[in-house]
Amino acid sequence: EVQLLESGGGLVQPGGSLRLSCAASGFTFSSYAMSWVRQAPGKGLEWVSAISGSGGSTYYADSVKGRFTISRDNSKNTLYLQMNSLRAEDTAVYYCAKGVVPAAIMAFDIWGQGTMVTVSS
Amino acid sequence: QSALTQPASVSGSPGQSITISCTGTSSDVGSYNLVSWYQQHPGKAPKLMIYEGSKRPSGVSNRFSGSKSGNTASLTISGLQAEDEADYYCCSYAGSSTYVVFGGGTKLTVL
Repeated sequence: EVQLLESGGGLVQPGGSLRLSCAASGFTFSSYAMSWVRQAPGKGLEWVSAISGSGGSTYYADSVKGRFTISRDNSKNTLYLQMNSLRAEDTAVYYCAKGVVPAAIMAFDIWGQGTMVTVSS
Repeated sequence: QSALTQPASVSGSPGQSITISCTGTSSDVGSYNLVSWYQQHPGKAPKLMIYEGSKRPSGVSNRFSGSKSGNTASLTISGLQAEDEADYYCCSYAGSSTYVVFGGGTKLTVL
């Protein structure tokens, strides 16, 4: 079964850091681009970042550029999102998502269950 | 404010057809055939319904179809069923600077 399982969310103070992980199983992880998409409470979906299958190309939304870093360890089938300088507006459920075709960073056929990040003092 | 514009809500009766619009610009929807649509039930992760404008993933009912005209993409659901009641989001590739944009979402109510 194709599956994504996020972890690492929690409560953090403004200005703090957090690292999210997404463990993948059931598909050839290294062949697919992966993305992070977030959803603030009661709000819509917002694309955050994407990374190519090899990890050689990364992409960021302007709202997180310079603060967040996406990476992957294909030997561990795991995707990461390092979040620094966190702000209240980063509070959201963070989903990891698999590209529907190998290079796709804009269409996602498998989603994790999400992990909640709360930025508050 | 979302990059792509969707109606906040639409409604229809069981068996009817409805269409949800998704309006972008010549920099996103209008330039690429890379619009996708997602269904999200409360408390659940989104589910891919349409990608590359009109392609349906395996397992998605053929009652769901996608199309595009100019800068506007559309999702049509025919033969409405109670379980179709959910939030729907469009998404588009937006070029090598902005990359990916979502619509604000549309709440579908099945009367």
